[in-house]
Amino acid sequence: DGGITQSPKYLFRKEGQNVTLSCEQNLNHDAMYWYRQDPGQGLRLIYYSQIVNDFQKGDIAEGYSVSREKKESFPLTVTSAQKNPTAFYLCASSPQGAGKQNEQFFGPGTRLTVL
Amino acid sequence: KQEVTQIPAALSVPEGENLVLNCSFTDSAIYNLQWFRQDPGKGLTSLLLIQSSQREQTSGRLNASLDKSSGRSTLYIAASQPGDSATYLCAVGPYTNAGKSTFGDGTTLTVKP
Repeated sequence: DGGITQSPKYLFRKEGQNVTLSCEQNLNHDAMYWYRQDPGQGLRLIYYSQIVNDFQKGDIAEGYSVSREKKESFPLTVTSAQKNPTAFYLCASSPQGAGKQNEQFFGPGTRLTVL
Repeated sequence: KQEVTQIPAALSVPEGENLVLNCSFTDSAIYNLQWFRQDPGKGLTSLLLIQSSQREQTSGRLNASLDKSSGRSTLYIAASQPGDSATYLCAVGPYTNAGKSTFGDGTTLTVKP
């Protein structure tokens, strides 16, 4: 089955802790994205990567970090510098390049709660 | 900066009704526009993708149109069913960086039996 997996489904963080959210895709897509969704709101882009070993900040990157060491994987670390991390986190991927439609596909999400 | 607006924020209709969801954007220099469905607590499911050169796309009971000059897209749902109840989001992909889409806040649809 091709798709995007995210783990864990639920995550609880104590004050001052760093936590890492996993995102894996087997769609052979070049681009991957991390979004944050707050209740009743749309998605805001945290980081995105269009190629392995390269990534760019989105609109709300402060307090987050990412890596892209493999095409299939794009983990997101929520650091203690992120003051309000409680939210629903969504990972997505899309094909890139000339002639590609750049259609985005999403994982099931991780709900992060700060205790 | 691209801004995407979806009005209304919530919509309730009786089963069987045809309905239209709206998506407006401020910058017409777009690469594509994508419509998604989101069920509570779940990820987004892609419904339709319209490239900037296209005027509409159809899938089953869904039809999405795009008018770049007026900065509008509509999602038409025919013969609505209770199973269509969900939040519908649109996302606009810019030409300068096709990967960096801007999302609307969504329209929450309830279809009553």
